[in-house]
Amino acid sequence: GQQVMQIPQYQHVQEGEDFTTYCNSSTTLSNIQWYKQRPGGHPVFLIQLVKSGEVKKQKRLTFQFGEAKKNSSLHITATQTTDVGTYFCAGKKGANNLFFGTGTRLTVIP
Amino acid sequence: NAGVTQTPKFRVLKTGQSMTLLCAQDMNHEYMYWYRQDPGMGLRLIHYSVGEGTTAKGEVPDGYNVSRLKKQNFLLGLESAAPSQTSVYFCASSYSGGLETQYFGPGTRLLVL
Repeated sequence: GQQVMQIPQYQHVQEGEDFTTYCNSSTTLSNIQWYKQRPGGHPVFLIQLVKSGEVKKQKRLTFQFGEAKKNSSLHITATQTTDVGTYFCAGKKGANNLFFGTGTRLTVIP
Repeated sequence: NAGVTQTPKFRVLKTGQSMTLLCAQDMNHEYMYWYRQDPGMGLRLIHYSVGEGTTAKGEVPDGYNVSRLKKQNFLLGLESAAPSQTSVYFCASSYSGGLETQYFGPGTRLLVL
């Protein structure tokens, strides 16, 4: 079954509004990765978080890893039409493979 | 470098037919993966390989077989296709299975009638 849950499934925002997607695991993760998939495209790696409470920024994107290493979030400030796509988190437990979340599909209305 | 390539890009099969999807990477990665992507289900791991000559089952392996005869290639086979196997198939590779990122191919869209 699904081991990494992601919410919301869909999000529509006006251009310029902020956007956040959340990722939750029932067990502790060794690390978490975030990927972006443009419509009709393939997943592309964005970032990896490893440490408890870690926060990383990429321009308008802020990624957080929870203190208990069971949850993570991606926040986009002032969305642009180029942010359109599906954002996936992917959690790893020890030496096991990545478990992808169901993704959040972001639509940005100009 | 081409990165990860997949062939074919699109295929239509009839129930019961067989086919092989080919994935190739030119990054000298040890690990390769096959995922399927269905609406609302995210990416689910079918099979993976940690090196030439090795394969292992993922989350949803039933109905699929794989082979890794050469380090750069990872083949996914469907011996008897079923409508439930209609999906988009992505291949990925990574240098190792630890903290390494995965690089994805462009995908193969498969329709089983």
